[in-house]
Amino acid sequence: GAGVSQSPSNKVTEKGKDVELRCDPISGHTALYWYRQSLGQGLEFLIYFQGNSAPDKSGLPSDRFSAERTGGSVSTLTIQRTQQEDSAVYLCASSVTGGEGRGYTFGSGTRLTVV
Amino acid sequence: AQSVAQPEDQVNVAEGNPLTVKCTYSVSGNPYLFWYVQYPNRGLQFLLKYITGDNLVKGSYGFEAEFNKSQTSFHLKKPSALVSDSALYFCAVRDKDTGGFKTIFGAGTRLFVKA
Repeated sequence: GAGVSQSPSNKVTEKGKDVELRCDPISGHTALYWYRQSLGQGLEFLIYFQGNSAPDKSGLPSDRFSAERTGGSVSTLTIQRTQQEDSAVYLCASSVTGGEGRGYTFGSGTRLTVV
Repeated sequence: AQSVAQPEDQVNVAEGNPLTVKCTYSVSGNPYLFWYVQYPNRGLQFLLKYITGDNLVKGSYGFEAEFNKSQTSFHLKKPSALVSDSALYFCAVRDKDTGGFKTIFGAGTRLFVKA
């Protein structure tokens, strides 16, 4: 597509429930990134995909967080047993290959609220 | 390890005056440096980058940034601020030599331009 698409744009969930956040990157972009932006905080790196592989998942906060990417395209970030501290805006970005010195194209994000 | 510091949470400037948003970084190797802007209710947008070459780089909307290796800084500047420049600005760094494909973002600086 023309840009990075994320869905849903907003999600309210009850504490303890599982949620899935979806990212559809720009067609042909092999690199895909997930970041988290909490209120008053900067962007926190979560995970990076090159194709379907995740060479760097060092930013995932706990084992409740997981992500996958299929077909070198769509990625899903799953948060199990959500906690209130998971409330944040989850941003997805993509770039052509990841290794070049280019900027990322970001999606509009998913605002997650855990109540 | 790589890191980015934006020492000012907020910068206030009058329309027509020059503006500077500060950024310092730390990397083991050589840096790729970036600035992004986040307008209210909109996603992050790439503004400009430093890869190599001239220390002064020009980007979108009349912004520029100066890479200073000795001071490890990459301050964002604009000669004449507009009210429409009011937004949240993020500095970001990736270590060209050791950082893999992970870009680290600063905490952000909110710019207010008063008419």
